[in-house]
Amino acid sequence: EVQLVESGGGLVQPGGSLRLSCAASGFTFSSYWMSWVRQAPGKGLEWVANIKQDGSEKYYVDSVKGRFTISRDNAKNSLYLQMNSLRAEDTAVYYCAREGTVVTPTGFDYWGQGTLVTVSS
Amino acid sequence: EIVMTQSPATLSVSPGERATLSCRASQSVSSNLAWYQQKPGQAPRLLIYGASTRATGIPARFSGSGSGTEFTLTISSLQSEDFAVYYCQQYNNWPQYTFGQGTKLEIK
Repeated sequence: EVQLVESGGGLVQPGGSLRLSCAASGFTFSSYWMSWVRQAPGKGLEWVANIKQDGSEKYYVDSVKGRFTISRDNAKNSLYLQMNSLRAEDTAVYYCAREGTVVTPTGFDYWGQGTLVTVSS
Repeated sequence: EIVMTQSPATLSVSPGERATLSCRASQSVSSNLAWYQQKPGQAPRLLIYGASTRATGIPARFSGSGSGTEFTLTISSLQSEDFAVYYCQQYNNWPQYTFGQGTKLEIK
């Protein structure tokens, strides 16, 4: 069974930093692109960043470029999101999500339960 | 950026009836369109990909259609567990994925 479990969320002051983690199991983690998707309270979904299977390619939504860094450790089956210079508008539930394959592109076929990040003084 | 627009924002339908949700892309996304269902306090769940292919375990009452810029999600006979928020998402402009703003399907 595919499982994605996020952790690391919490309350942080504006300008602060936080590192999110996502533990993957039930599939060959190193074979998939992985993404972070966020959802502000009462709002819709926003893709944040993704990373290639070997970590050699990374992409970000414009609003987080230069502040967030996505990374992965295939030996630990884990995905990370380092968030620096946090702003109030970064407040959201952050989801880890698995992307479909090149052969069968699907969007995001599995999601974690999410971790809440609150940026407030 | 490809903008995805869903309509209506809220749809009120009675159990057992048909629901039709729409999604429009600001430019062609071919068939690279997915639909998700999200219930309160839960993560989104993939329903449809490739505009019309049901994901694993999704009941046959869910169907998707369309290509290019106009897409539809149809739920043929609403069950109580289907009342939720539905999002469309394009993945044609990879990796700049974009979602629609959502349609809330509520009980009439």
